[in-house]
Amino acid sequence: GQSLEQPSEVTAVEGAIVQINCTYQTSGFYGLSWYQQHDGGAPTFLSYNGLDGLEETGRFSSFLSRSDSYGYLLLQELQMKDSASYFCAVRDTNAGKSTFGDGTTLTVKP
Amino acid sequence: DTAVSQTPKYLVTQMGNDKSIKCEQNLGHDTMYWYKQDSKKFLKIMFSYNNKELIINETVPNRFSPKSPDKAHLNLHINSLELGDSAVYFCASSQNQRYNEQFFGPGTRLTVL
Repeated sequence: GQSLEQPSEVTAVEGAIVQINCTYQTSGFYGLSWYQQHDGGAPTFLSYNGLDGLEETGRFSSFLSRSDSYGYLLLQELQMKDSASYFCAVRDTNAGKSTFGDGTTLTVKP
Repeated sequence: DTAVSQTPKYLVTQMGNDKSIKCEQNLGHDTMYWYKQDSKKFLKIMFSYNNKELIINETVPNRFSPKSPDKAHLNLHINSLELGDSAVYFCASSQNQRYNEQFFGPGTRLTVL
């Protein structure tokens, strides 16, 4: 079956750097994505890795190692507004199906 | 200018009733999805349509029936609602079925009493 593992909770202080890891076991692999969801809101796309390496988008970066079935989301210069749930998702078929991890709740403290 | 819209935003109903949720996207995308997010925030795919054709049908009770009248619309009809159906249902779309970025609607919070 498909499974993705990520920590359930992470706490950090404003201005710090935090890394959210995601390991996956899926029958196929067509890319790892990250989504952010604030309480009461909808998931919003943050980043995508199809090949090994680091992708940077402003304060957020995402990394993938396909040989290790592992990726992470790196959030720098944390702000209070970054408090949210973060989901990794693997597209495990060529036909659009993405399996989501259970989410990591990030709490940023002053 | 909403990219993916859903109606209604909230739905409160009694067990045994039948209800529908509607979704529309104005992004010109080919692929649309229904997800269920439970109280623990687990996000699970239910269905996906590509150009009005069903391409993903996860293990979902057949009380749930999606319908896509055109590629901009994907509706979800639920028969004989049960307490366990209470959740937030998200519609999403992507450029095509091979494109990873998905755009989510605001969600419909369904409460079954």
